[in-house]
Amino acid sequence: KQEVTQIPAALSVPEGENLVLNCSFTDSAIYNLQWFRQDPGKGLTSLLLIQSSQREQTSGRLNASLDKSSGRSTLYIAASQPGDSATYLCAVYLNTNTGKLIFGQGTTLQVKP
Amino acid sequence: DAGVIQSPRHEVTEMGQEVTLRCKPISGHDYLFWYRQTMMRGLELLIYFNNNVPIDDSGMPEDRFSAKMPNASFSTLKIQPSEPRDSAVYFCASRPDPEYEQYFGPGTRLTVT
Repeated sequence: KQEVTQIPAALSVPEGENLVLNCSFTDSAIYNLQWFRQDPGKGLTSLLLIQSSQREQTSGRLNASLDKSSGRSTLYIAASQPGDSATYLCAVYLNTNTGKLIFGQGTTLQVKP
Repeated sequence: DAGVIQSPRHEVTEMGQEVTLRCKPISGHDYLFWYRQTMMRGLELLIYFNNNVPIDDSGMPEDRFSAKMPNASFSTLKIQPSEPRDSAVYFCASRPDPEYEQYFGPGTRLTVT
């Protein structure tokens, strides 16, 4: 059974810091991996999708990497801002035919001004 | 496109009542997913459809839950009878095909008293 773990569960940093959020999964036979952001009381916003043939994706100050063999993904946030404060969720796609997503519990980030 | 649309956004009901949650996926998306989010269990997939056909309902907690997709632009998740432990945020998501990311709706916050 696929399990997704995110460490740390919570993180507080001063504005301007670069930071890394970690995601690990128990079964390396995944298809794609997606990072989401969730603001309190809101829905999920997709940040980055890493397809199975890719090792990383970048969008602005965000960079996500994927190492399927070791069962790990990282989300790197450069020059953090208070507006980055949210919960970040990692989710893996089990295989191409099902499209099922298994979510981690998330990392709640607070960026202090 | 307006994105995935869910209604109602908030629902408060008494134990034993029937609850119906509604979802309109993004036009052209062949896959539709229903998720439930709680503090204890995080985000869990309940059921998903492909081309209006239920593919995997293994996440549906019990027979009190049922989901339908009568056409490509509408789906319902029904709970009958509702119980306090059903209180959660229910998300609907859609995607065009397995190569692409999932897009989430804003969610329905259900409170059963």
